[in-house]
Amino acid sequence: KQEVTQIPAALSVPEGENLVLNCSFTDSAIYNLQWFRQDPGKGLTSLLLIQSSQREQTSGRLNASLDKSSGRSTLYIAASQPGDSATYLCAASNDYKLSFGAGTTVTVRA
Amino acid sequence: EAGVVQSPRYKIIEKKQPVAFWCNPISGHNTLYWYRQNLGQGPELLIRYENEEAVDDSQLPKDRFSAERLKGVDSTLKIQPAELGDSAVYLCASSREGRPSTDTQYFGPGTRLTVL
Repeated sequence: KQEVTQIPAALSVPEGENLVLNCSFTDSAIYNLQWFRQDPGKGLTSLLLIQSSQREQTSGRLNASLDKSSGRSTLYIAASQPGDSATYLCAASNDYKLSFGAGTTVTVRA
Repeated sequence: EAGVVQSPRYKIIEKKQPVAFWCNPISGHNTLYWYRQNLGQGPELLIRYENEEAVDDSQLPKDRFSAERLKGVDSTLKIQPAELGDSAVYLCASSREGRPSTDTQYFGPGTRLTVL
């Protein structure tokens, strides 16, 4: 069974600081690794999807890396803004099944 | 393009009562998922549909939960009878049914269920 862990559970940073969110997974036989954002009371929004053959993906200020051999992925958010405050979840895909971590709740202070 | 629609957004019921959640996926998306998200945790898959066929219901508590997807579009998830431990957010997601390596799931806003 795939186990996904996200550390830390919560993070508070001043505006402008770069964010580093960590995700680890136990089963390296994944199809892809996905990062989602969840705002309070809302569903999940897909941010980045890294296929198993890729090392990283970038979208604007977001960059995600994947190291399958060590079972780790990292999401970097450059120059954080108050609007980046949310919970960020990673999910490892085995076939069509996504196994989620519990998330990292980020607060960006103005 | 409209997103995944779910209703109701909130539901409060007494234990032992029945409850139903409805989901309308993105048009053209053949795959539909129901997840349950407990407070402070990530979503956990309950059931996955390919068109109208439930292809993975291994995590669905079949003694009290049931689901259907008539005509391969809308879906309903039902709990009967509800228990206190069923309090959670129930999320619906859909995808186009592309290759597993590239399939992106799109989530609805969820239904927050409170069982008293």
